[in-house]
Amino acid sequence: DAKTTQPTSMDCAEGRAANLPCNHSTISGNEYVYWYRQIHSQGPQYIIHGLKNNETNEMASLIITEDRKSSTLILPHATLRDTAVYYCIVRTTINTGTASKLTFGTGTRLQVTL
Amino acid sequence: DTGVSQNPRHKITKRGQNVTFRCDPISEHNRLYWYRQTLGQGPEFLTYFQNEAQLEKSRLLSDRFSAERPKGSFSTLEIQRTEQGDSAMYLCASSPSGLGNQPQHFGDGTRLSIL
Repeated sequence: DAKTTQPTSMDCAEGRAANLPCNHSTISGNEYVYWYRQIHSQGPQYIIHGLKNNETNEMASLIITEDRKSSTLILPHATLRDTAVYYCIVRTTINTGTASKLTFGTGTRLQVTL
Repeated sequence: DTGVSQNPRHKITKRGQNVTFRCDPISEHNRLYWYRQTLGQGPEFLTYFQNEAQLEKSRLLSDRFSAERPKGSFSTLEIQRTEQGDSAMYLCASSPSGLGNQPQHFGDGTRLSIL
């Protein structure tokens, strides 16, 4: 299983872009990179995922390097409500391979400040 | 889409008692997952259902734990003879079938406290 490495914590000023890095140097060719976040006392919230190409949705952008060994989650205009723990996950295949569990690390605690 | 629903949100019980949690997945999601999360850690996988079939169980799921999904809709997770170490947040997630990269969507969990 590919493992990920994230900084323990980061700060970001409100209104600025938050760039959260993740290293996954042992990722396999068919493994996706997922990002979730967890606000205190809530379940993890899906943000975005990608395989090779950069992805963007209404919440964030995901930039994956060409060698796929690292990625960056970008929150373009961080607000106080974006304060949370952000998890970068490389999806593991279990069983027959068409469904897969998520292996969470300890994530990055993002603190957005005024 | 009402999201994944978990009940109860909080459960406090004495050591040695049995507890049962319920998860209602997003409708038409035929895959359902249970995870456990302890303080300061990320969630850990416990088990997975495709429809009513339990296809994978983690080594974390001791013989005191049992999960069911009898009609392929809601699921229950029971812990028998609870121990102090069972205190945690129990999370349920669901996803649709199809491509294996479909994201899982989580409920807000059941927080279990063992006295």
